[in-house]
Amino acid sequence: DIQMTQSPSSLSASVGDRVIITCRATQNIKNYLNWYQQKPGKAPQLLIYAASSLQSGVPSRFSGSGSGTDFTLTISNLQPEDFATYYCQKSYGPPRTFGGGTKVEI
Amino acid sequence: QVQLQESGPGLVKPSQTLSLTCTVSGGSISSDGYYWSWVRQHPGKGLEWMACIYHRGATYYNPSLKSRMTISVDTSKNQFSLKLSSVTAADTAVYYCARDRAGDISWFDPWGHGALVTVSS
Repeated sequence: DIQMTQSPSSLSASVGDRVIITCRATQNIKNYLNWYQQKPGKAPQLLIYAASSLQSGVPSRFSGSGSGTDFTLTISNLQPEDFATYYCQKSYGPPRTFGGGTKVEI
Repeated sequence: QVQLQESGPGLVKPSQTLSLTCTVSGGSISSDGYYWSWVRQHPGKGLEWMACIYHRGATYYNPSLKSRMTISVDTSKNQFSLKLSSVTAADTAVYYCARDRAGDISWFDPWGHGALVTVSS
């Protein structure tokens, strides 16, 4: 099975910062990669699908890039409401594997 | 808009079967182009996809859970369900149901709020 590895597992940042989270697949998954945001006690919410397409209603400071095995989620101008945990997920075939998560802390 | 809601016992005894139901509202579970999935999250841990089902009955399971898990759909009630047998404390988790857009370019959206299930005697 294809494994997904995120880095870093956590990071500290300040409001206004630019944050980059990476996700690596063990095999080529083309652009079959999604990003989710999860806040404590809440269900995950879709941010980016197909590696770089912004889900409707998601602020434009979120962007995704990459293809093949290496992907990035960039948050520009970090806002207070962006402090959360972020997960990548491969959508190529079952199993639909998630990365281990990246916690963005103040 | 489509909404999902998990329901079921919050406490299950070890060795018993965990059963949860997800009720879909605001749309039909029989809509073409969507699978319906279960995802769980152990306390303080990451997300684990468990299984998905299509309204016509096709199912896919996470190999790590396949031997203990059954996913089913009841289109007349607009619900899908999960049964996980022989549970242990390691199955204590928040269980989410989610709509899963079919195809290689797919994603989970929306999600239910989640149901905490504790396995304990």
